[in-house]
Amino acid sequence: AQTVTQSQPEMSVQEAETVTLSCTYDTSENNYYLFWYKQPPSRQMILVIRQEAYKQQNATENRFSVNFQKAAKSFSLKISDSQLGDTAMYFCALVAGTYKYIFGTGTRLKVLA
Amino acid sequence: GAGVSQSPSNKVTEKGKDVELRCDPISGHTALYWYRQSLGQGLEFLIYFQGNSAPDKSGLPSDRFSAERTGGSVSTLTIQRTQQEDSAVYLCASSFSQIMNTEAFFGQGTRLTVV
Repeated sequence: AQTVTQSQPEMSVQEAETVTLSCTYDTSENNYYLFWYKQPPSRQMILVIRQEAYKQQNATENRFSVNFQKAAKSFSLKISDSQLGDTAMYFCALVAGTYKYIFGTGTRLKVLA
Repeated sequence: GAGVSQSPSNKVTEKGKDVELRCDPISGHTALYWYRQSLGQGLEFLIYFQGNSAPDKSGLPSDRFSAERTGGSVSTLTIQRTQQEDSAVYLCASSFSQIMNTEAFFGQGTRLTVV
């Protein structure tokens, strides 16, 4: 079975600071992809960043970067220089062997002014 | 269209009534997904369409739930004889293909409340 676990239901960070959201996953597939999606109050899920399992280099998108530890099956998201607009639910997701996204339960991030 | 569109945005219905939720995917996207998001839960997979066919319906929670897709475009999720546990946000997503690394684009969802 494929699973995604996000163990931090809620987090907060001061504006301009850095925060790391944790995600662990489990799959027996060798080829898979990992994603972080952001869901603001509007409910619209937005792709933040994606990582291909066969790539050792951690993905980076502007202020967002991941720490992909394949052996530990860990995929954390680091947000640098946090902004008020980063306030949202963040979901970690796995796609392995099929088209189906498996999502974690999410982390609610609040950026404080 | 410019993005995935879902209607209605919010729906309140009485227990026992049937409801239809609509999804208009991005034009040209062949893959379409329905997910359910309950309070405090992650997104639960319901059904996947490739074109008009649904090769994976494994997430539909009961036979009260059904979905169809016509013309390779619009999809409708129908819930018959609604129950209070059906209350949730129903999210639709589409992608250009079913290849694993293809980004899924989500609609804003339909918040269903069964009273």
